[in-house]
Amino acid sequence: DVKVTQSSRYLVKRTGEKVFLECVQDMDHENMFWYRQDPGLGLRLIYFSYDVKMKEKGDIPEGYSVSREKKERFSLILESASTNQTSMYLCASTLTSGRGGDTQYFGPGTRLTVL
Amino acid sequence: AQTVTQSQPEMSVQEAETVTLSCTYDTSENNYYLFWYKQPPSRQMILVIRQEAYKQQNATENRFSVNFQKAAKSFSLKISDSQLGDTAMYFCAFMSDFGNEKLTFGTGTRLTIIP
Repeated sequence: DVKVTQSSRYLVKRTGEKVFLECVQDMDHENMFWYRQDPGLGLRLIYFSYDVKMKEKGDIPEGYSVSREKKERFSLILESASTNQTSMYLCASTLTSGRGGDTQYFGPGTRLTVL
Repeated sequence: AQTVTQSQPEMSVQEAETVTLSCTYDTSENNYYLFWYKQPPSRQMILVIRQEAYKQQNATENRFSVNFQKAAKSFSLKISDSQLGDTAMYFCAFMSDFGNEKLTFGTGTRLTIIP
């Protein structure tokens, strides 16, 4: 089975802190994604990566950056956390089979609270 | 840009009954993929069912089936013989045939199965 893990289930940080959220997948997937989930808004894509050291902005990249130094690990960085970044953060990965429409596999999520 | 609309924020149904969750989407593309994902309370998001737009036959997975109406851009999920374990948030999602497997999600429907 595909396993996607995230470094923390719950995280509390203060405004202005630098925050790192880590995601690891064990199935040699090329594509990895970071979403934030907010009530009434669904999931919105922050950034994604389709290869090591490659990244593309999603729909809401402002205030975030990412790092992918190894294929299995994709990090989301909040350079200076703000209260409006309080949210649930979900990581996902998918294999690029070449056929299209590959299933995304999700991690358990990190609920981040910024005080 | 594609949009996905789920017009039912919350639904509830008695155990063993059938329930249908609605989803509409907007796209100018002809080939794409549609998904229903399930997020149980405090648990990981998992795939329920997947539909390829170029296939006219509706996808089914055990008690879960879809009604895919391409011309109407509608993709509803039917759950038959509902069980308590079906209680979850359900998200409809769209994936283009171009563009690195990115998903666009609806805002979700919170489904509660009543014993």
